Amino acid sequence: KAGVTQTPRYLIKTRGQQVTLSCSPISGHRSVSWYQQTPGQGLQFLFEYFSETQRNKGNFPGRFSGRQFSNSRSEMNVSTLELGDSALYLCASSLGYGLAGANYEQYFGPGTRLTVT
Amino acid sequence: GDSVTQMEGPVTLSEEAFLTINCTYTATGYPSLFWYVQYPGEGLQLLLKATKADDKGSNKGFEATYRKETTSFHLEKGSVQVSDSAVYFCALSSGKLVFGQGTRLTINP
Repeated sequence: KAGVTQTPRYLIKTRGQQVTLSCSPISGHRSVSWYQQTPGQGLQFLFEYFSETQRNKGNFPGRFSGRQFSNSRSEMNVSTLELGDSALYLCASSLGYGLAGANYEQYFGPGTRLTVT
Repeated sequence: GDSVTQMEGPVTLSEEAFLTINCTYTATGYPSLFWYVQYPGEGLQLLLKATKADDKGSNKGFEATYRKETTSFHLEKGSVQVSDSAVYFCALSSGKLVFGQGTRLTINP
């Protein structure tokens, strides 16, 4: 079974631009979560979607947004990019979500490396 | 809020050495606990998990026991290999995954 795929794998953007990242979950998985990984802050939760609805959100500014489509694919968007947004963005999919989903394994994609110059 | 504190790295060991990476957590309620591993250039892979107190998770020779009384979930392996070189993350789930800072492990032949 195919794993979680993320596109693009690498991206270079300029401050002030916006960017859209894509994530395709494992077939049958309806939950998609997004994480930001930086050397300074480590891995931080951005948001989680299940059945096209945002179920949980981390402490990120409104410039970070996401959505999920009916086929469970998800996109995240970052507007007005700042240098500090340079990071590895990881997507994870699982069968369940939230407290009920705590026992479901999250399968991670390889990430999108975003560099903001 | 919920948090995870894990042993700072980097950790460097010789092949066949005994490994311990400490992890403690703060959480309301009784979260599930996980260890994830990240190899260079890759995403995270679940290494093992435990969903309730006194559970022991194990995989590929690694073990960790959910200790409610000490709020700990230390990762151990009796004999490490060069292929175990990676970054290890301890995490808890209370609706979302909360990760520790990661511990970089290097095993020398």
